[in-house]
Amino acid sequence: GAVVSQHPSRVICKSGTSVKIECRSLDFQATTMFWYRQFPKQSLMLMATSNEGSKATYEQGVEKDKFLINHASLTLSTLTVTSAHPEDSSFYICSARDFRSRLNEQFFGPGTRLTVL
Amino acid sequence: SQKIEQNSEALNIQEGKTATLTCNYTNYSPAYLQWYRQDPGRGPVFLLLIRENEKEKRKERLKVTFDTTLKQSLFHITASQPADSATYLCAPPVYGQNFVFGPGTRLSVLP
Repeated sequence: GAVVSQHPSRVICKSGTSVKIECRSLDFQATTMFWYRQFPKQSLMLMATSNEGSKATYEQGVEKDKFLINHASLTLSTLTVTSAHPEDSSFYICSARDFRSRLNEQFFGPGTRLTVL
Repeated sequence: SQKIEQNSEALNIQEGKTATLTCNYTNYSPAYLQWYRQDPGRGPVFLLLIRENEKEKRKERLKVTFDTTLKQSLFHITASQPADSATYLCAPPVYGQNFVFGPGTRLSVLP
Protein backbone atom coordinates (compact mmCIF):
# COMPACT_ATOMS: atom_id res chain seq x y z
CA GLY A 1 0.00 0.00 0.00
CA ALA A 2 0.83 3.72 0.20
CA VAL A 3 1.72 4.23 -3.44
CA VAL A 4 2.15 7.66 -4.95
CA SER A 5 2.33 8.15 -8.69
CA GLN A 6 3.49 11.09 -10.76
CA HIS A 7 2.76 11.93 -14.34
CA PRO A 8 4.59 12.54 -16.56
CA SER A 9 7.85 10.95 -15.52
CA ARG A 10 9.78 13.05 -17.99
CA VAL A 11 8.93 16.18 -19.95
CA ILE A 12 10.85 18.37 -22.34
CA CYS A 13 9.39 21.71 -23.27
CA LYS A 14 10.31 24.97 -24.91
CA SER A 15 11.04 28.08 -22.91
CA GLY A 16 7.89 30.08 -22.20
CA THR A 17 5.47 27.17 -22.15
CA SER A 18 3.62 25.86 -19.11
CA VAL A 19 3.93 22.34 -17.79
CA LYS A 20 1.53 20.51 -15.49
CA ILE A 21 2.69 17.66 -13.25
CA GLU A 22 0.20 15.40 -11.52
CA CYS A 23 0.68 13.65 -8.20
CA ARG A 24 -1.76 10.96 -7.13
CA SER A 25 -2.07 8.85 -4.01
CA LEU A 26 -3.30 5.53 -5.37
CA ASP A 27 -4.45 3.60 -2.33
CA PHE A 28 -4.87 6.13 0.44
CA GLN A 29 -6.27 9.55 1.05
CA ALA A 30 -3.79 12.34 1.43
CA THR A 31 -4.96 15.45 3.19
CA THR A 32 -1.50 16.91 2.74
CA MET A 33 0.82 16.72 -0.23
CA PHE A 34 4.24 18.23 -0.63
CA TRP A 35 6.18 19.37 -3.66
CA TYR A 36 9.97 19.23 -3.73
CA ARG A 37 12.59 20.20 -6.22
CA GLN A 38 15.95 18.50 -6.50
CA PHE A 39 18.93 19.70 -8.49
CA PRO A 40 21.71 17.29 -9.46
CA LYS A 41 23.74 16.03 -6.51
CA GLN A 42 21.67 18.11 -4.09
CA SER A 43 19.06 17.19 -1.54
CA LEU A 44 15.36 17.75 -1.82
CA MET A 45 14.17 21.28 -1.28
CA LEU A 46 10.60 21.74 -0.14
CA MET A 47 8.75 24.10 -2.45
CA ALA A 48 5.26 24.07 -1.03
CA THR A 49 2.77 22.24 1.12
CA SER A 50 -0.73 21.75 -0.17
CA ASN A 51 -3.75 20.82 1.87
CA GLU A 52 -6.85 19.50 0.20
CA GLY A 53 -9.36 22.24 -0.41
CA SER A 54 -7.17 25.13 0.63
CA LYS A 55 -4.40 27.27 -0.76
CA ALA A 56 -0.88 25.95 -0.80
CA THR A 57 1.75 27.25 1.57
CA TYR A 58 4.92 28.17 -0.26
CA GLU A 59 8.42 28.14 1.14
CA GLN A 60 10.44 31.31 1.20
CA GLY A 61 11.86 32.14 -2.18
CA VAL A 62 9.37 30.06 -4.16
CA GLU A 63 7.17 32.15 -6.46
CA LYS A 64 3.56 31.15 -6.03
CA ASP A 65 2.57 32.70 -9.34
CA LYS A 66 5.17 30.67 -11.16
CA PHE A 67 4.52 27.36 -9.44
CA LEU A 68 0.77 26.94 -9.27
CA ILE A 69 -0.43 24.19 -6.99
CA ASN A 70 -3.92 22.77 -6.90
CA HIS A 71 -5.03 20.09 -4.44
CA ALA A 72 -8.61 19.57 -5.51
CA SER A 73 -9.19 16.14 -4.04
CA LEU A 74 -7.80 13.82 -1.40
CA THR A 75 -5.92 11.85 -4.02
CA LEU A 76 -4.69 14.44 -6.52
CA SER A 77 -2.43 17.46 -6.43
CA THR A 78 -1.05 19.25 -9.46
CA LEU A 79 1.95 21.50 -9.92
CA THR A 80 1.98 23.80 -12.92
CA VAL A 81 5.23 25.45 -13.87
CA THR A 82 4.12 28.55 -15.74
CA SER A 83 6.23 30.21 -18.42
CA ALA A 84 9.02 27.75 -17.82
CA HIS A 85 12.62 28.79 -18.35
CA PRO A 86 15.82 26.73 -18.57
CA GLU A 87 16.62 27.47 -14.92
CA ASP A 88 13.40 25.67 -13.98
CA SER A 89 14.87 22.44 -15.31
CA SER A 90 15.01 20.10 -12.35
CA PHE A 91 13.68 16.91 -10.81
CA TYR A 92 10.29 17.57 -9.21
CA ILE A 93 9.08 15.14 -6.58
CA CYS A 94 5.79 15.06 -4.76
CA SER A 95 4.97 13.28 -1.54
CA ALA A 96 1.80 12.55 0.32
CA ARG A 97 1.00 11.92 3.91
CA ASP A 98 -1.60 9.37 4.93
CA PHE A 99 -3.62 11.18 7.56
CA ARG A 100 -4.38 7.89 9.29
CA SER A 101 -0.70 7.08 9.82
CA ARG A 102 0.72 7.56 13.29
CA LEU A 103 4.26 7.52 11.96
CA ASN A 104 3.79 10.67 9.91
CA GLU A 105 6.04 9.34 7.18
CA GLN A 106 5.75 10.76 3.71
CA PHE A 107 5.32 8.55 0.67
CA PHE A 108 7.11 9.86 -2.35
CA GLY A 109 6.26 9.73 -6.00
CA PRO A 110 8.86 8.57 -8.54
CA GLY A 111 9.60 12.14 -9.61
CA THR A 112 9.27 14.12 -12.84
CA ARG A 113 12.32 15.19 -14.79
CA LEU A 114 11.64 18.59 -16.38
CA THR A 115 13.94 19.89 -19.08
CA VAL A 116 13.27 23.35 -20.46
CA LEU A 117 15.04 24.12 -23.71
CA SER B 1 18.16 28.82 11.76
CA GLN B 2 17.80 25.06 11.82
CA LYS B 3 20.62 23.21 10.18
CA ILE B 4 21.03 19.57 9.24
CA GLU B 5 24.34 18.03 8.29
CA GLN B 6 25.26 14.55 7.19
CA ASN B 7 28.78 13.37 7.83
CA SER B 8 30.01 13.02 4.33
CA GLU B 9 28.85 13.46 0.82
CA ALA B 10 30.07 10.01 -0.17
CA LEU B 11 31.05 6.88 1.68
CA ASN B 12 32.70 3.79 0.18
CA ILE B 13 32.81 0.54 2.09
CA GLN B 14 33.57 -3.09 1.35
CA GLU B 15 30.78 -5.61 1.04
CA GLY B 16 30.03 -7.32 4.33
CA LYS B 17 31.20 -4.42 6.47
CA THR B 18 28.98 -2.15 8.54
CA ALA B 19 28.22 1.26 7.08
CA THR B 20 27.68 4.09 9.56
CA LEU B 21 26.12 7.35 8.44
CA THR B 22 25.79 10.40 10.64
CA CYS B 23 23.15 13.10 10.82
CA ASN B 24 23.72 16.17 12.99
CA TYR B 25 21.21 18.91 13.59
CA THR B 26 21.59 22.30 15.23
CA ASN B 27 19.41 25.05 16.62
CA TYR B 28 16.38 22.94 17.36
CA SER B 29 15.21 19.75 19.02
CA PRO B 30 13.08 17.51 16.81
CA ALA B 31 10.70 15.11 18.50
CA TYR B 32 11.60 12.44 15.97
CA LEU B 33 13.76 11.87 12.97
CA GLN B 34 13.28 9.82 9.80
CA TRP B 35 15.70 8.16 7.44
CA TYR B 36 15.04 7.69 3.74
CA ARG B 37 16.80 5.96 0.89
CA GLN B 38 16.95 7.51 -2.56
CA ASP B 39 18.14 5.78 -5.71
CA PRO B 40 19.23 7.86 -8.74
CA GLY B 41 16.29 9.34 -10.61
CA ARG B 42 13.78 8.06 -8.09
CA GLY B 43 11.83 9.47 -5.18
CA PRO B 44 12.96 8.76 -1.61
CA VAL B 45 11.70 5.67 0.18
CA PHE B 46 10.94 5.74 3.89
CA LEU B 47 13.12 3.42 5.99
CA LEU B 48 12.87 4.16 9.69
CA LEU B 49 11.55 6.65 12.19
CA ILE B 50 13.03 7.10 15.64
CA ARG B 51 11.47 9.20 18.39
CA GLU B 52 13.35 11.31 20.91
CA ASN B 53 12.52 8.92 23.74
CA GLU B 54 13.92 5.94 21.81
CA LYS B 55 17.64 5.33 21.95
CA GLU B 56 17.69 2.75 19.20
CA LYS B 57 15.44 1.34 16.48
CA ARG B 58 16.11 -1.72 14.33
CA LYS B 59 14.71 -3.10 11.12
CA GLU B 60 16.39 -6.15 9.62
CA ARG B 61 19.98 -5.07 8.87
CA LEU B 62 19.28 -1.43 9.66
CA LYS B 63 19.81 0.26 13.00
CA VAL B 64 19.21 3.87 13.93
CA THR B 65 20.22 5.65 17.12
CA PHE B 66 19.12 9.05 18.35
CA ASP B 67 21.22 11.01 20.83
CA THR B 68 19.37 14.18 21.80
CA THR B 69 22.30 15.35 23.93
CA LEU B 70 24.71 15.20 21.02
CA LYS B 71 21.95 16.25 18.59
CA GLN B 72 22.91 13.37 16.42
CA SER B 73 21.44 10.31 14.75
CA LEU B 74 23.51 7.40 13.50
CA PHE B 75 22.30 5.09 10.75
CA HIS B 76 23.95 1.67 10.49
CA ILE B 77 23.70 -0.97 7.77
CA THR B 78 25.22 -4.25 8.90
CA ALA B 79 26.52 -6.92 6.52
CA SER B 80 26.30 -4.37 3.71
CA GLN B 81 25.60 -5.50 0.16
CA PRO B 82 26.14 -3.81 -3.21
CA ALA B 83 22.33 -3.45 -3.41
CA ASP B 84 22.54 -1.10 -0.41
CA SER B 85 24.34 1.45 -2.59
CA ALA B 86 22.17 4.56 -2.67
CA THR B 87 21.87 8.01 -1.16
CA TYR B 88 20.57 8.05 2.39
CA LEU B 89 18.78 11.11 3.71
CA CYS B 90 17.93 12.05 7.26
CA ALA B 91 14.83 14.15 7.75
CA PRO B 92 13.84 15.67 11.05
CA PRO B 93 10.60 17.62 11.13
CA VAL B 94 10.70 21.36 11.53
CA TYR B 95 7.99 23.88 12.42
CA GLY B 96 5.24 21.37 12.87
CA GLN B 97 5.13 18.41 10.61
CA ASN B 98 7.06 19.48 7.56
CA PHE B 99 10.46 18.03 6.89
CA VAL B 100 13.82 19.39 6.00
CA PHE B 101 16.04 16.85 4.36
CA GLY B 102 19.71 16.62 5.04
CA PRO B 103 22.11 16.85 2.11
CA GLY B 104 22.38 13.07 1.98
CA THR B 105 25.25 10.62 2.01
CA ARG B 106 25.92 8.64 -1.13
CA LEU B 107 26.87 5.14 -0.05
CA SER B 108 28.75 2.80 -2.36
CA VAL B 109 29.20 -0.80 -1.27
CA LEU B 110 32.04 -2.35 -3.21
CA PRO B 111 31.93 -6.08 -4.02
